[in-house]
Amino acid sequence: GDSVTQMEGPVTLSEEAFLTINCTYTATGYPSLFWYVQYPGEGLQLLLKATKADDKGSNKGFEATYRKETTSFHLEKGSVQVSDSAVYFCARRIANAGGTSYGKLTFGQGTILTVHP
Amino acid sequence: DTEVTQTPKHLVMGMTNKKSLKCEQHMGHRAMYWYKQKAKKPPELMFVYSYEKLSINESVPSRFSPECPNSSLLNLHLHALQPEDSALYLCASSHPTGGRAKNIQYFGAGTRLSVL
Repeated sequence: GDSVTQMEGPVTLSEEAFLTINCTYTATGYPSLFWYVQYPGEGLQLLLKATKADDKGSNKGFEATYRKETTSFHLEKGSVQVSDSAVYFCARRIANAGGTSYGKLTFGQGTILTVHP
Repeated sequence: DTEVTQTPKHLVMGMTNKKSLKCEQHMGHRAMYWYKQKAKKPPELMFVYSYEKLSINESVPSRFSPECPNSSLLNLHLHALQPEDSALYLCASSHPTGGRAKNIQYFGAGTRLSVL
């Protein structure tokens, strides 16, 4: 079945360190891929997305590239800030089937990131 | 505007109470979703409405009853809940058509439910 696997956390970094959170997905069909971020006490916010192979999503200094050959969508940031402390979820959207007008998301387990000053 | 509004933000209820969660969006989205999220876990899909019709029920117990009275509003009616139902309940919505580039789910801030 469809699945998303994220690197296990928690991840603890010092401010201005380089961040990588690994994400791989099962290669059923041609999924769209997403990174969502959840700050403490809040809902999920879309951080970035990629809808086809070799697309690079970027937002707020974060980047991720859709790699079909390695079925990966790793999240990176060159210099993290304390305000980036949150839980990060990688997700794939199952392609619509049978003409349905919605998409089911499959989430990874989430990675807790803590950034210290 | 990509806002999905959920009320209330917090809810405490007893096991014999009846309460409702509300979700509203004005983005013209015609797909709306309810998720349940336990602490330190990813969201779990409960229900999907598409064009105001229930399209997916992920084997959710009948003590949770969804309702979509119009294209902007989604409710979740709660009755006779159990303590293990305590969680963050998230609503999301997405554009109905336009291909994969537009079919992005936008989430509300959630209702944190405690069942005593």
